[in-house]
Amino acid sequence: KNEVEQSPQNLTAQEGEFITINCSYSVGISALHWLQQHPGGGIVSLFMLSSGKKKHGRLIATINIQEKHSSLHITASHPRDSAVYICAVTPWGGNKLVFGAGTILRVKS
Amino acid sequence: ETGVTQSPTHLIKTRGQQVTLRCSSQSGHNTVSWYQQALGQGPQFIFQYYREEENGRGNFPPRFSGLQFPNYSSELNVNALELDDSALYLCASSTDSGRTYEQFFGPGTRLTVL
Repeated sequence: KNEVEQSPQNLTAQEGEFITINCSYSVGISALHWLQQHPGGGIVSLFMLSSGKKKHGRLIATINIQEKHSSLHITASHPRDSAVYICAVTPWGGNKLVFGAGTILRVKS
Repeated sequence: ETGVTQSPTHLIKTRGQQVTLRCSSQSGHNTVSWYQQALGQGPQFIFQYYREEENGRGNFPPRFSGLQFPNYSSELNVNALELDDSALYLCASSTDSGRTYEQFFGPGTRLTVL
């Protein structure tokens, strides 16, 4: 079993829909990261969080440390949101990122 | 302030050859981590360099090696290339050993081994 599991693997939405991507992890962590990867490979960090909730524009990330679960929400989705969204964690005492497999999001107009 | 850069962008090699990939870290960052991302999968940690010393290694064989230079740029070397080494290689820089601080990723080098 992977240390970081994401769901769903693939997601197709209509423009304007509210989107949720989930991430569960099985190890103790010092931080959880949500990343965005566009075709061609470049990865952009969206959020880094260790508790509570963060918001940036139409993106919201939440984390429940006790349940080892995080969600990424996109409000009023737009075709430009189409990308791969990756959840990654920094395990306690570690110095690396452990990644989930990613969620492929396609937003249709 | 310049971001993380990687070279080359794309590379094609044949089995058994050796390859060197390069990464320039973001200004002010002293830590570089390397990741391998196979098609359709999440990245896997190869190793990290902090102030020119290896600071952690993932489950990769010794033919994957690296260097970090005094200006904190880094190289990833892979010897005796195998077909399964075909992947996107990403480097990421950060301001400390990377325990909790944000990592900034380069655009990646796509390696194809034939």
